[in-house]
Amino acid sequence: DIVMTQSPDSLAVSLGERATINCKSSQSVLSNSNNKNYLAWYQQKPRQPPKLLIYWASTRESGVPDRFSGSGSGTDFTLTISGLQAEDVAVYYCHQYYSTPRTFGQGTKVEIK
Amino acid sequence: EVQLVESGGGLVQPGGSLRLSCVGSGFTFSSYWMTWVRQAPGKGLEWVANMDEGRSEKYYLDSVKGRFTISRDNAKNTLYLQMNSLRAEDTAVYHCARGWSHHDYWGQGTLVTVSS
Repeated sequence: DIVMTQSPDSLAVSLGERATINCKSSQSVLSNSNNKNYLAWYQQKPRQPPKLLIYWASTRESGVPDRFSGSGSGTDFTLTISGLQAEDVAVYYCHQYYSTPRTFGQGTKVEIK
Repeated sequence: EVQLVESGGGLVQPGGSLRLSCVGSGFTFSSYWMTWVRQAPGKGLEWVANMDEGRSEKYYLDSVKGRFTISRDNAKNTLYLQMNSLRAEDTAVYHCARGWSHHDYWGQGTLVTVSS
């Protein structure tokens, strides 16, 4: 199974500042056949289901604000929130869909400093 | 508008069974892989099972293999999860989600509590 490890477990960022969340996979999720990274990011607020933010490591889902961006390749990935807003307080998960079983990171809680 | 609505959760004793349902609307249900993901209280997300559009491919988390069965009825736009031999560690909110890769739509989930 591919183990997804996020860091940090939590972070507090001032409004308008940048939040950076890292995700490391225990093996590469980059496909040699199509050169795509099988990696997504989700945001989950209390008592809500997860919301898709980013897929293929860097493609923003329709309707997601452009302050959210994804980067990285192979085994190391980053979700960046440029200019944190109050509504961004949530838990963020990375998710690999390169192999079965699909696996998620443990989550990173983002709060306002 | 795409919607996924789960039902069938509840309180069950260890060793018992439940069948969860997920009704999809607002999209062509028969054209999508569907997935079950669960979340234990206060914990993270855990993929449980998925299946293809045509009901020929099914995959499971090792810890549920032989106990859970994923199925679907495309005529009813419904995904199912039959859960047998339930254990305390199966206690979670169970979400259905659309897609084989990333999941662009999720249901609100249904709570399954396994306790005596």
